[in-house]
Amino acid sequence: GENVEQHPSTLSVQEGDSAVIKCTYSDSASNYFPWYKQELGKRPQLIIDIRSNVGEKKDQRIAVTLNKTAKHFSLHITETQPEDSAVYFCAARVNDYKLSFGAGTTVTVRA
Amino acid sequence: DGGITQSPKYLFRKEGQNVTLSCEQNLNHDAMYWYRQDPGQGLRLIYYSQIVNDFQKGDIAEGYSVSREKKESFPLTVTSAQKNPTAFYLCASTPRRGFTGGPFADSPLHFGNGTRLTVT
Repeated sequence: GENVEQHPSTLSVQEGDSAVIKCTYSDSASNYFPWYKQELGKRPQLIIDIRSNVGEKKDQRIAVTLNKTAKHFSLHITETQPEDSAVYFCAARVNDYKLSFGAGTTVTVRA
Repeated sequence: DGGITQSPKYLFRKEGQNVTLSCEQNLNHDAMYWYRQDPGQGLRLIYYSQIVNDFQKGDIAEGYSVSREKKESFPLTVTSAQKNPTAFYLCASTPRRGFTGGPFADSPLHFGNGTRLTVT
């Protein structure tokens, strides 16, 4: 089955700096890659996603890049702010109904 | 908000007892899911249901059971056979995409607020 690895497990950045989270996947047939953000004590929410026919997608301060050949995708957060502190999960679509999630990255933005 | 209600927020049970976690949605979503969240392990799929009266095992279904008698409801029972039941449980749902359907997994998962189960 699909195996998604996520690194780093924790990330501390100074406010205003950039944060990068990387994920790799094993199944070359995977073609949809969402990212979820879970703030402390809250439910996970989709923040951005990318499909395999696109190499990069941006939404304001966040962007996701996908390298199909290398089977890895990354989340980039620029100009980090305190409200970016959260746990971020990457995922890859396994089949029509199932996503395989990474273990999560705890991001802390230092003021 | 979000239209998915999980109850209770915290649940405590003695080892050997079965316990049922509630999940109700008013989003008219077809598919519903149960995930288990443990520190450092991300979200792992327990069961999912595409339609009423149908459900499928996920990656870690052993020791769990579900039912889908109504579109709005997808309760999860944690049985005494589950060896490590203490965890945070998240229910989620997704709509069918577009007029021709398509993969549910391409739709954003709408999560409930979760139930933290502690078994001692």
